[in-house]
Amino acid sequence: GAVVSQHPSWVICKSGTSVKIECRSLDFQATTMFWYRQFPKQSLMLMATSNEGSKATYEQGVEKDKFLINHASLTLSTLTVTSAHPEDSSFYICSAPTGKDYGYTFGSGTRLTVV
Amino acid sequence: KQEVTQIPAALSVPEGENLVLNCSFTDSAIYNLQWFRQDPGKGLTSLLLIQSSQREQTSGRLNASLDKSSGRSTLYIAASQPGDSATYLCAVSGWGKLQFGAGTQVVVTP
Repeated sequence: GAVVSQHPSWVICKSGTSVKIECRSLDFQATTMFWYRQFPKQSLMLMATSNEGSKATYEQGVEKDKFLINHASLTLSTLTVTSAHPEDSSFYICSAPTGKDYGYTFGSGTRLTVV
Repeated sequence: KQEVTQIPAALSVPEGENLVLNCSFTDSAIYNLQWFRQDPGKGLTSLLLIQSSQREQTSGRLNASLDKSSGRSTLYIAASQPGDSATYLCAVSGWGKLQFGAGTQVVVTP
């Protein structure tokens, strides 16, 4: 089935540094990738939608200059958290639609801790 | 604006008991509804996908029903096992986006 590989699974970084999270579609072409963040014991909050070859669409309240999304190919989308601060610590998950009958498939998530 | 609600927020049952998880949504113009399982600190695993034209889907011990007109879906898990302990999320697809409920945290005690 359709698989999205997400890396890294966890990362600890110092405040002020940038972190890149990658999501790769392994056996299908992901023209669209959704990026979510999840706080403890809460549901997923959609941050942005990326489309291959075009600019990402950000949800209201999400800083596009802090959360840089690149979707340069049909199999790779990246999220870069720039100048990370402790409040950016969260669980980030990507997801791609896999076609009408298969719904959406999700990456395994990235636990970001900013110290 | 689509709103998805899951009740109960948490559920604890003894092993062997059947689980009933509820999901409701406010806008019936959905493309499909998907149930996911999430283990602590992990990503989401798709359990069942119900197209808007379907009434139910089954996979092993899992059965999900969909009543689009009333905006409800129910996930049944038969003969629960400790390994079923997880958070279960429902999500509706419409207008190109997936809207999630807050989830039901399930604990199955041996």
